[in-house]
Amino acid sequence: EAGVVQSPRYKIIEKKQPVAFWCNPISGHNTLYWYLQNLGQGPELLIRYENEEAVDDSQLPKDRFSAERLKGVDSTLKIQPAELGDSAVYLCASSVNRVGEQFFGPGTRLTVL
Amino acid sequence: AQSVAQPEDQVNVAEGNPLTVKCTYSVSGNPYLFWYVQYPNRGLQFLLKYITGDNLVKGSYGFEAEFNKSQTSFHLKKPSALVSDSALYFCAVRGTKAAGNKLTFGGGTRVLVKP
Repeated sequence: EAGVVQSPRYKIIEKKQPVAFWCNPISGHNTLYWYLQNLGQGPELLIRYENEEAVDDSQLPKDRFSAERLKGVDSTLKIQPAELGDSAVYLCASSVNRVGEQFFGPGTRLTVL
Repeated sequence: AQSVAQPEDQVNVAEGNPLTVKCTYSVSGNPYLFWYVQYPNRGLQFLLKYITGDNLVKGSYGFEAEFNKSQTSFHLKKPSALVSDSALYFCAVRGTKAAGNKLTFGGGTRVLVKP
């Protein structure tokens, strides 16, 4: 069974440019998470979806970040415009439900120049 | 608010020696605790979890963890470390339903196993 798929794996952009990350969760997993991981730190939750509904986006900087999971399967996380401080690894995870074990994708490493 | 502390940024151990990675937590209600491992340029991989029951939890790759309620600790252990165990280890606690079952991670501990 395929794990959580993320693309791209690496992205380098200049500040003020837009960027988007894509995540395809494990089949049958209703809950999807986006995490931010700064270098040498633990992941921090940005947003959690239950099917297509965003049920926890309290940590998402809504002035520049947006996310969607239109059909309750794959998801896109967007930053517009990107800032230097957004350089980090963006991890996607999924679980069967809100209390199930979370499975993580390989992440997208973003570098903002 | 829930929190996790991993007091050691790095742990160095010789191959074949026992490995311990420390973790303490703070959460309201019953603790649900997890350990994940992260290899370079890869996502987090689940090692083990404590939900209820026996305080000694066995997980993947020969790892185990001991839950101690009085000390609010959940230390990760391996009796005999391998060079391939060198990686970044994260402890995490899951909050209550009222807190959205949110998973909060510690800052991570880098393990270096020397041959």
